[in-house]
Amino acid sequence: EVQLVESGGGLVQPGRSLRLSCAASGFTFDDYAMHWVRQAPGKGLEWVSGISWNSGSIGYADSVKGRFTISRDNAKNSLYLQMNSLRAEDTALYYCAKDLSSTVVTPYYWGQGTLVTVSS
Amino acid sequence: QSVLTQPPSASGTPGQRVTISCSGSSSNIGSNTVNWYQQLPGTAPKLLIYSNNQRPSGVPDRFSGSKSGTSASLAISGLQSEDEADYYCAAWDDSLNVRYVFGTGTKVTVL
Repeated sequence: EVQLVESGGGLVQPGRSLRLSCAASGFTFDDYAMHWVRQAPGKGLEWVSGISWNSGSIGYADSVKGRFTISRDNAKNSLYLQMNSLRAEDTALYYCAKDLSSTVVTPYYWGQGTLVTVSS
Repeated sequence: QSVLTQPPSASGTPGQRVTISCSGSSSNIGSNTVNWYQQLPGTAPKLLIYSNNQRPSGVPDRFSGSKSGTSASLAISGLQSEDEADYYCAAWDDSLNVRYVFGTGTKVTVL
């Protein structure tokens, strides 16, 4: 059974940093691209970033480019999101999602999310 | 703000057919395939349709997708109470920064 478990969320002050993790199990992690998608409270979905199976292809939303960094450790079956210079508008539930393929194509299976709250 | 526009709400009675539209542009729907997600209250989104009209394993054939030009639509036939959820279209956008964009979302209510 595919499992994606996000962690690392919490309350953080504006301008500070946070690192999210996603532990994957139940599938061959290095066969698939991965994504981070967020959802602000009561709002719609926003794609944050995606990374191919070998980290050779990476993309970011305009809203986080230059502040967030996605990475993965295939040996540890883990996906990460380093978030720097956090802003109030980054407050959201952050989902980790497995792609349909090895390249960055389609967020397919989603974890339950970890909540990030940016506030002073 | 999203570049894919959906109606905020749609509704129907059990057994009816409901259609949700998704309007985009040449840089997204016009040049890429469309995916659809279902988000039940309090849960993570679930991929319902990919590549315009393909259903992942386990998705009932009551759900179908189509695309024409810069628009796409999701149809739910034989509406059931458990279909009450938020639905989002999504596609890659090839403008200045290539990114995956979601629609504004449609809340489907089963009357």
